[in-house]
Amino acid sequence: AQKVTQAQTEISVVEKEDVTLDCVYETRDTTYYLFWYKQPPSGELVFLIRRNSFDEQNEISGRYSWNFQKSTSSFNFTITASQVVDSAVYFCALSGLSSGGSYIPTFGRGTSLIVHP
Amino acid sequence: GAGVSQSPSNKVTEKGKDVELRCDPISGHTALYWYRQSLGQGLEFLIYFQGNSAPDKSGLPSDRFSAERTGGSVSTLTIQRTQQEDSAVYLCASSTDRPHTQYFGPGTRLTVL
Repeated sequence: AQKVTQAQTEISVVEKEDVTLDCVYETRDTTYYLFWYKQPPSGELVFLIRRNSFDEQNEISGRYSWNFQKSTSSFNFTITASQVVDSAVYFCALSGLSSGGSYIPTFGRGTSLIVHP
Repeated sequence: GAGVSQSPSNKVTEKGKDVELRCDPISGHTALYWYRQSLGQGLEFLIYFQGNSAPDKSGLPSDRFSAERTGGSVSTLTIQRTQQEDSAVYLCASSTDRPHTQYFGPGTRLTVL
């Protein structure tokens, strides 16, 4: 069975602060994929990033960066110089082979990020 | 191009009634997923369709839930004899590649009175 834990239920910061959203996962698969999605107040989930288990390189995209560490089974997400528009619920997800032989994602419960002006 | 669409956007029904929720995936996407999101919860996987293969129904919570996908495109999720605990937002997602980067629809908010 696979599991994704986002221990931070809600984070509140002031604009321009840096913030890190934690994601810890469990899986027995050697090949798996990790994702982050953003769900703004409008409700529609938006894909942010996908990483596979063989690629531990960190990634930076503008103010967003991701730190994937297999040794600690973590895939953390950092927003630098946060903005009010970053306010949303962020979901981490893990996709590994299900018992049915298909890749079924497991989502964490999400972290609600509130950025105050 | 057009994204994933879902209808209706909101559905209010009485306990015991059947409901049908519709999902139109992105054209050309072979994989389609249904999820349920309850208030303050993560996404609960319900069912997965991939091409012409038999669907993965491992997430359906009871036999009151069923889904079909016609012509490899539009999908309908049916909930029979709805219960109040079925109240949630039902999300549909589609993808074209493995490992399934998913594109989500806006969801259908179901309220069972």
